[in-house]
Amino acid sequence: QSALTQPASVSGSPGQSITISCTGTSSDVGGYNYVSWYQQHPGKAPKLMIYEVNNRPSGISNRFSGSKSGNTASLTISGLQAEDEADYYCSSYTSINTFYVFGTGTKVTVL
Amino acid sequence: QDQLVQSGAEVKKPGSSVKVSCKASGGTFSSYTFSWVRQAPGQGLEWMGRIIPILDIANYTQKFQGRVTITADKSTSTAYMELNSLRSEDTAVYYCTRGGTSFDMDVWGKGTTITVSS
Repeated sequence: QSALTQPASVSGSPGQSITISCTGTSSDVGGYNYVSWYQQHPGKAPKLMIYEVNNRPSGISNRFSGSKSGNTASLTISGLQAEDEADYYCSSYTSINTFYVFGTGTKVTVL
Repeated sequence: QDQLVQSGAEVKKPGSSVKVSCKASGGTFSSYTFSWVRQAPGQGLEWMGRIIPILDIANYTQKFQGRVTITADKSTSTAYMELNSLRSEDTAVYYCTRGGTSFDMDVWGKGTTITVSS
């Protein structure tokens, strides 16, 4: 089971919106609405930001939103802030070999 | 506040085994699943396996099948991950996570650093 494909890096200026893509197959992202997104600051544990494609856990800012089209899921961060600078990972349920597969990770830089 | 408290960092010799613990607080232990995710230095996240305490069933990714054992002690609300035949490539931070609404992980431990070195 290969990792889901994410861009290595995405950057934006404060206040702008950025979108991170996460591409899989019909056996994972495209076949199920079980896509999650995690934020990880350096030296810290990941934090759940989005679950089931477009749902935010309690306490997560509405500047974070998720969507999916076909085999590609996306995370959009609007009103970019300095504190959003971190690594972001997508994850999906997969019907092949293992229950979960993570994305390759995207480093978000706030210019 | 729901949290997962993991055991401390360890340094192990190649070929040995390591067992990491993860004590859960908040919520009803048996109503969740607990997964283990690892992250090698400078690398991404890798799911290893999970346990469903109420069923006492564990699932593992094929890569670790036969080398990892995940268990749970409902009496102490603690999950465990044991990895055998350690090699240098197993050097990583190992995270314990709690299953959320569906196939997501809503609570993460702080991580346990395992270093494999001769």
